[in-house]
Amino acid sequence: GESVGLHLPTLSVQEGDNSIINCAYSNSASDYFIWYKQESGKGPQFIIDIRSNMDKRQGQRVTVLLNKTVKHLSLQIAATQPGDSAVYFCAEGGYNAGNMLTFGGGTRLMVKP
Amino acid sequence: SQTIHQWPATLVQPVGSPLSLECTVEGTSNPNLYWYRQAAGRGLQLLFYSVGIGQISSEVPQNLSASRPQDRQFILSSKKLLLSDSGFYLCAWNLAENQPQHFGDGTRLSIL
Repeated sequence: GESVGLHLPTLSVQEGDNSIINCAYSNSASDYFIWYKQESGKGPQFIIDIRSNMDKRQGQRVTVLLNKTVKHLSLQIAATQPGDSAVYFCAEGGYNAGNMLTFGGGTRLMVKP
Repeated sequence: SQTIHQWPATLVQPVGSPLSLECTVEGTSNPNLYWYRQAAGRGLQLLFYSVGIGQISSEVPQNLSASRPQDRQFILSSKKLLLSDSGFYLCAWNLAENQPQHFGDGTRLSIL
């Protein structure tokens, strides 16, 4: 069936470096994508979203890139800080899916001081 | 601003006992409400969602059930828990499709 997945289960970066977390999706009908951050023992926290009519969206220290041609989504975190250490999930949705989001398996980001 | 509350934060229950987890949303009206389960180190599995009072859709057949007795209250229940029901249960809300879902801090359920 359709699925959302992540290339790297664990990503380790040095404090101050940029981080890139990747996500592949297989449902070409998806037109809405979200990135979440989940810290240990807490619920996922919304970071940024992007709709399929855009290929890039920027927030505070974060950028989401969408490549519809290869069905790829990435989250870039600039100047990674220890507080960025968490598990990051991508999720996809679409008009065909109604209110439903399909979540990927997650990537753990570890920031080394 | 809108807030979402889940309780209890942690729960330890024996096999075969009943379950009731509660979720409430404040600061908004007529939200869409969702129950997810997250196994350790895994992604989120949608269990139930509701677009209005008394309206429940189930995504996964199981021994759990959900109810929405009030606009901003969503309850997850079971008559008889199984060992496989252990996990981290998350409630979420949004106002429309293709808008971010906002999550509570979850209930960690351990079945002994």
